[in-house]
Amino acid sequence: GAGVSQSPSNKVTEKGKDVELRCDPISGHTALYWYRQSLGQGLEFLIYFQGNSAPDKSGLPSDRFSAERTGGSVSTLTIQRTQQEDSAVYLCASSRPRRLGTSGLSYNEQFFGPGTRLTVL
Amino acid sequence: TQLLEQSPQFLSIQEGENLTVYCNSSSVFSSLQWYRQEPGEGPVLLVTVVTGGEVKKLKRLTFQFGDARKDSSLHITAAQPGDTGLYLCAGDRFAGGTSYGKLTFGQGTILTVHP
Repeated sequence: GAGVSQSPSNKVTEKGKDVELRCDPISGHTALYWYRQSLGQGLEFLIYFQGNSAPDKSGLPSDRFSAERTGGSVSTLTIQRTQQEDSAVYLCASSRPRRLGTSGLSYNEQFFGPGTRLTVL
Repeated sequence: TQLLEQSPQFLSIQEGENLTVYCNSSSVFSSLQWYRQEPGEGPVLLVTVVTGGEVKKLKRLTFQFGDARKDSSLHITAAQPGDTGLYLCAGDRFAGGTSYGKLTFGQGTILTVHP
């Protein structure tokens, strides 16, 4: 089955330019997440969309970063006036609740795309 | 801030050796997830542990969730070169009856298994 896809796979841009990164989640997944990963490091949460609820933007590092999710499916992460410190791999993930254990509680197991490697010169 | 400390940061071993990766926090998590990531790819979920004291086995990999749900470990038996990669732990917490989904990640362990 189709997994999470992201485009472009690589993006090289000049400092000060705007960039748009796209994420196509797994069909039927209600939640979508954006993370940022520096070389060999763990993931830094950026933003979280869940259904029609207001997104959790608490991880966005500055107001140059924004994201939209249109029609509850495709998402676009936009970085305005890029800076060299924005260089990283941007990962998108999607999930849907799944019951685990005996508690009856639901868990969101996330499925990641391959990422977009952004290089700001 | 909920932090997950993962250790060791780097691990270089010979094929056939055993290893353990640790993930520790001062905070309680609803679940701990372990991911493996290869270069140029996104993380791939290996397992989710949700109950304190839970042990899950996946072939040569054994995952344990601490009784207090603050720590977890990944043990690999008889490591193989194909196990090479970045291993990440991630914690989740609840809002209501559903996991919030906003994972807190450890810094990762880069494992290299030499033939």
